[in-house]
Parts: sequence; C-alpha cells; structure tokens
Amino acid sequence: QKEVEQDPGPLSVPEGAIVSLNCTYSNSAFQYFMWYRQYSRKGPELLMYTYSSGNKEDGRFTAQVDKSSKYISLFIRDSQPSDSATYLCAMLIGDTGRRALTFGSGTRLQVQP
Amino acid sequence: EAGVAQSPRYKIIEKRQSVAFWCNPISGHATLYWYQQILGQGPKLLIQFQNNGVVDDSQLPKDRFSAERLKGVDSTLKIQPAKLEDSAVYLCASSYRDPLYNEQFFGPGTRLTVL
Repeated sequence: QKEVEQDPGPLSVPEGAIVSLNCTYSNSAFQYFMWYRQYSRKGPELLMYTYSSGNKEDGRFTAQVDKSSKYISLFIRDSQPSDSATYLCAMLIGDTGRRALTFGSGTRLQVQP
Repeated sequence: EAGVAQSPRYKIIEKRQSVAFWCNPISGHATLYWYQQILGQGPKLLIQFQNNGVVDDSQLPKDRFSAERLKGVDSTLKIQPAKLEDSAVYLCASSYRDPLYNEQFFGPGTRLTVL
C-alpha cells in the first residue's frame, strides 16, 4: 500500500466550477501537508501548506486537513482555464534534518473555457 | 530571485550508457534534493544533501546512481549504466537549511529517455 493515495483523474470541469481534489494517507507521523501545482514540462510549485487539522484559505484556494481520518483536500473556487495542471499532494514527517516530501501520484485537472 | 537551474532539459540515451545531470540551487539554499518522477507518478526522493553532506540516500539505487554536491552549491546526479526503467524526469529542488516550513523550490527537470 502506498503511503499517499491520490486519484489520478483526469478531472475535467467547466470554467467557474468548484473543484475538489483529495488525498488519503496511511502514515500518522506526517505532520505537514502541502499542495503543489505542476504545469506540463515544469517543476512543481507550492500552492498551499498546512500544519494542523482544519482549513486554510488563500484566495480561491482552500486546503483542508483531517488528521483523524488521514484525509486532505484542496478546493478551488471559480476555476479558471489557467488552473489546468496536475495537482500533487505532498506530506512531510518533519524529523530534524530529513525534509523529504512524500508525494501523491497527482490529479490532472482540465478546466474547459 | 533566480530559480533552481537544471541542465540539460532533455536527454536521450541507449540502455547501458552513462548520463549526468547538473543542478544549481537557489543562492543561499543549504538543502538540495534530487527527485525522480516517472510518468503518471509523483516525485520520489533519490537523495537529500545538507550543504555537501548526504542526509538521506535510502532510495538511491547505489549500484547505478551516484550524486555529489561539491562545495555545498552545485550538484550532479549520474546514472551508469542506464536501464529502460530509468526513463523519467529528474527534478532538483532546494530549500533553506531549517525553515519554519519547508518550501522546496523545484527546477524544471531533466527529461531522460532510455532506449
């Protein structure tokens, strides 16, 4: 079983739709939760970062963490064609020194104009 | 601020050949990572450096992969000999030594095709 599971999609939505992206994880030692966006032929870029359970909002993006269920979500409001990309969830145990991220496999999102 | 630089961007080789990738992290970033991203998968850590010392290389196939970070700045990742399953994008990332949160900045990657 993978430590982090993510539906690969693809997910196709019309412009303006609310998008929900999700990941589940099995390792309860994960403390930090991130969402990265990766455009085609580019490196991932950090979108959101959360540490505790609950919601965090940044513009059109909301990250949600439920540690009791080992479930994280990213919501995109008023989706735009420019949001079309692969979204990767990533997690970090946070031991001193070891800062390697464990990624999900990514969900490919296509926002249709 | 300049981002993480990687070269080459693309490389095509035949199996059993050797290949090397280069990474220049963001200035001042002490921590450098090499990730392997196979098509349709998320990046997987190969090796993590703190300055020029190795922090984690537990997932590096040491029989064929090697990496170094001389003088704690640039890094090279080498594969010798390459196998078909090494076809992937090799991503380099860097971050500050011990940030409040660990934002890793990724380079554009080197896309390797092994024929």
